[in-house]
Amino acid sequence: EVQLVESGGGLVQPGGSLRLSCAASGFIFSSYVMSWVRQAPGKGPEWVSGISGSGGSTYYADSVKGRFTISRDNSKKTLYLQMNSLRAEDTAVYYCAKRAVDTAAFDIWGQGTVVTVSS
Amino acid sequence: QSALTQPPSASGSPGQSVTISCTGTSSDVGGYNYVSWYQQHPGKAPKLMIYEVSKRPSGVPDRFSGSKSGNTASLTVSGLQAEDEADYYCSSYAGSNSYVFGIGTKVTVL
Repeated sequence: EVQLVESGGGLVQPGGSLRLSCAASGFIFSSYVMSWVRQAPGKGPEWVSGISGSGGSTYYADSVKGRFTISRDNSKKTLYLQMNSLRAEDTAVYYCAKRAVDTAAFDIWGQGTVVTVSS
Repeated sequence: QSALTQPPSASGSPGQSVTISCTGTSSDVGGYNYVSWYQQHPGKAPKLMIYEVSKRPSGVPDRFSGSKSGNTASLTVSGLQAEDEADYYCSSYAGSNSYVFGIGTKVTVL
């Protein structure tokens, strides 16, 4: 079964850091572009960051550029998101998502992990 | 990137059809045939229903269909069923390996 399982969310103070992980199974992880997508309470999803299959190319939304870093360990089939200088507006459910092959859509999503930035 | 515009709500009786619009710009919806639609039930992750404007992933009923004209894409759900009640979000490729999502439409089955 194709599956993505996120972990690492929690409550953090403004200015703090957090590292999210996403464990993949059921597919050849290294062959796929992966992304992080977040959804603030009551809002639509927001694409946050993406990374190529090899990890050699990374992409970020302007809202997180310079603060968040996406990475992957293909030997561990795990995707990461290092989040620094967190702000209240970063509060959201964070999903990892697999991009479908040869197209621009996300066909597999994890269950999400909640990040709350508050003092 | 600004979020794509969707009507906040839509509704229909069982068996009827409902159509949801998704309006962007020439930099996203109008510029690429990479519009996708996601269904989200409360507390669940989004589920891909349509990709590349009108293609359905395996397992998605053919009651779901998509189209696009200019900067506006549309999702039509025909033969509404109770389980179709959910939030629906459009998304578009926006260039430079980035994506933009819509603000969402809540579909109610009356």
